[in-house]
Amino acid sequence: AQSVTQLDSHVSVSEGTPVLLRCNYSSSYSPSLFWYVQHPNKGLQLLLKYTSAATLVKGINGFEAEFKKSETSFHLTKPSAHMSDAAEYFCVVKTSYDKVIFGPGTSLSVIP
Amino acid sequence: DTGVSQDPRHKITKRGQNVTFRCDPISEHNRLYWYRQTLGQGPEFLTYFQNEAQLEKSRLLSDRFSAERPKGSFSTLEIQRTEQGDSAMYLCASSSPGLAGGMTDTQYFGPGTRLTVL
Repeated sequence: AQSVTQLDSHVSVSEGTPVLLRCNYSSSYSPSLFWYVQHPNKGLQLLLKYTSAATLVKGINGFEAEFKKSETSFHLTKPSAHMSDAAEYFCVVKTSYDKVIFGPGTSLSVIP
Repeated sequence: DTGVSQDPRHKITKRGQNVTFRCDPISEHNRLYWYRQTLGQGPEFLTYFQNEAQLEKSRLLSDRFSAERPKGSFSTLEIQRTEQGDSAMYLCASSSPGLAGGMTDTQYFGPGTRLTVL
């Protein structure tokens, strides 16, 4: 069975410090992996996606994620947090054309 | 704006009433998805269309739920005899399979319809 685990339900960082949001997945197949961000009262926005072309994926707004097959992980990072990064972040696994599984989400707070 | 749109954005109804939501996908996208998101949770897949064909339905989609996409463009999601447990955000997304055949296609989400059942 496929599943997604986001290890932290809430992460708090100071502005200007690094961000690490952790995601582990379980899949019987080679998955496609995505990170989405959801700001309050706004729709889900794609940050980045992994499609087996390169293990280090760069996304929008300075975010990047590294696919590690041996660890079944796809952690999201950003070198320096900005106040506007405060939002809910979802790790997503896609294992077939129509099977999309969202993680439970990590709420990121950025302290001035 | 050429993104995914949903209507209404908010719906308050009384238990037992029927409600219908509409989703207009990005015009060139042939795939359309419905999700449900409850507070503090990630979206859960409900159903999926390719053009006008409904190809997959989640077990979450009880008999009270029905979705249509009659001309392969916009879609409607109807909930009959609403229950308080149906209160949630209903999200629509669309995608186009592209050259990879669908595994890597990106889903673009609408703003959602927030349903409150009293």
